[in-house]
Amino acid sequence: NAGVMQNPRHLVRRRGQEARLRCSPMKGHSHVYWYRQLPEEGLKFMVYLQKENIIDESGMPKERFSAEFPKEGPSILRIQQVVRGDSAAYFCASSPGFGVYGYTFGSGTRLTVV
Amino acid sequence: AQTVTQSQPEMSVQEAETVTLSCTYDTSESDYYLFWYKQPPSRQMILVIRQEAYKQQNATENRFSVNFQKAAKSFSLKISDSQLGDAAMYFCAYRSLDTFQGAQKLVFGQGTRLTINP
Repeated sequence: NAGVMQNPRHLVRRRGQEARLRCSPMKGHSHVYWYRQLPEEGLKFMVYLQKENIIDESGMPKERFSAEFPKEGPSILRIQQVVRGDSAAYFCASSPGFGVYGYTFGSGTRLTVV
Repeated sequence: AQTVTQSQPEMSVQEAETVTLSCTYDTSESDYYLFWYKQPPSRQMILVIRQEAYKQQNATENRFSVNFQKAAKSFSLKISDSQLGDAAMYFCAYRSLDTFQGAQKLVFGQGTRLTINP
């Protein structure tokens, strides 16, 4: 009964490279949320997806960031041409639907851009 | 838009004592959820306690309880009999009860770092 699985746990990228962060929701959960946590700050909402659909991307930067949740496989948060300011912890959470009680977080991916 | 404010960047308490973490929020909605999450050094976000705004009774989970003051838009967390394992960042969070899809996200405060002194 695995929880929300995120990988990799740590990711180092050079400026200009691409970063791909993966999130496998809990079994039975079809809703995925991505959050970003800058150092010494709270989590900020980025995007909310259901299978094959982006529901709310109001927190996503307009450029270089994209997210998907395909019919099969994990949800992917993709950051193109990374810059130092993208260094942060990226968290994924999942829920079985619109309810709150199944809102479970993964352990996050710490992205470091050098 | 809703906002959540935690005015205490850091707090410390002696082991076995009681500590209260403050949280205020701003919203025009009447129904919503409020949460306290704990983030230990492992980075895992752990749900500590949840409060539904339509419930007048304050939520309690073992040593953790809240003081929910809806009119004042205040939601403080009290930790009784503090233990070394309680040391962590604590985040207050808000979620709308609205069912429209844009309301599903959590809005977090900046966090309070809690230190437990042995």
